[in-house]
Amino acid sequence: LAKTTQPISMDSYEGQEVNITCSHNNIATNDYITWYQQFPSQGPRFIIQGYKTKVTNEVASLFIPADRKSSTLSLPRVSLSDTAVYYCLASQDTGRRALTFGSGTRLQVQP
Amino acid sequence: GAVVSQHPSRVICKSGTSVKIECRSLDFQATTMFWYRQFPKQSLMLMATSNEGSKATYEQGVEKDKFLINHASLTLSTLTVTSAHPEDSSFYICSAPIRGGRINEQFFGPGTRLTVL
Repeated sequence: LAKTTQPISMDSYEGQEVNITCSHNNIATNDYITWYQQFPSQGPRFIIQGYKTKVTNEVASLFIPADRKSSTLSLPRVSLSDTAVYYCLASQDTGRRALTFGSGTRLQVQP
Repeated sequence: GAVVSQHPSRVICKSGTSVKIECRSLDFQATTMFWYRQFPKQSLMLMATSNEGSKATYEQGVEKDKFLINHASLTLSTLTVTSAHPEDSSFYICSAPIRGGRINEQFFGPGTRLTVL
């Protein structure tokens, strides 16, 4: 379980691309990088995961450089509904342990 | 994806009373469930690990006699906050992994907001 560091908060406007960077300098070889999204008064939900290079799904893209010491979550053309807290994890949990969440990044999207 | 439900979604109670929160895995079996607590503007903090058919494992600083956990079936775990006090007011969230699921993937319930007056 690698310690992760993210910006505490970010502000954006509707239609902009938002990039949230997470630092995980002591990531282990078997760790995967996983991002969760938590809307106000809801439980977190898994949005994207990767090991290296780039991963894209219908929600976001995840960029991971070759050294894997950081990762960037990219949200294209955000809307008000993307206002949430985004958590980065670098871990290799197979379901036997609870997930450890850092402070996360609070994204506020303005109209 | 898999669904985890919680009941109730919010509860208000008087100081000194007990409150039970249910966490259900609706479309999969969960031998393990996790209970978290989240205070305003803070991250999720693990309280305990609930294991079907055995005693729960509590994190350091969490009173097992105050936060009673029962995992009576493969789809249901309950958290009972006994003799609740205003400082127990918080957002309680459960999660469950799926056997054979993706690394680092767990399914979270929608949370229960407890307010103790």
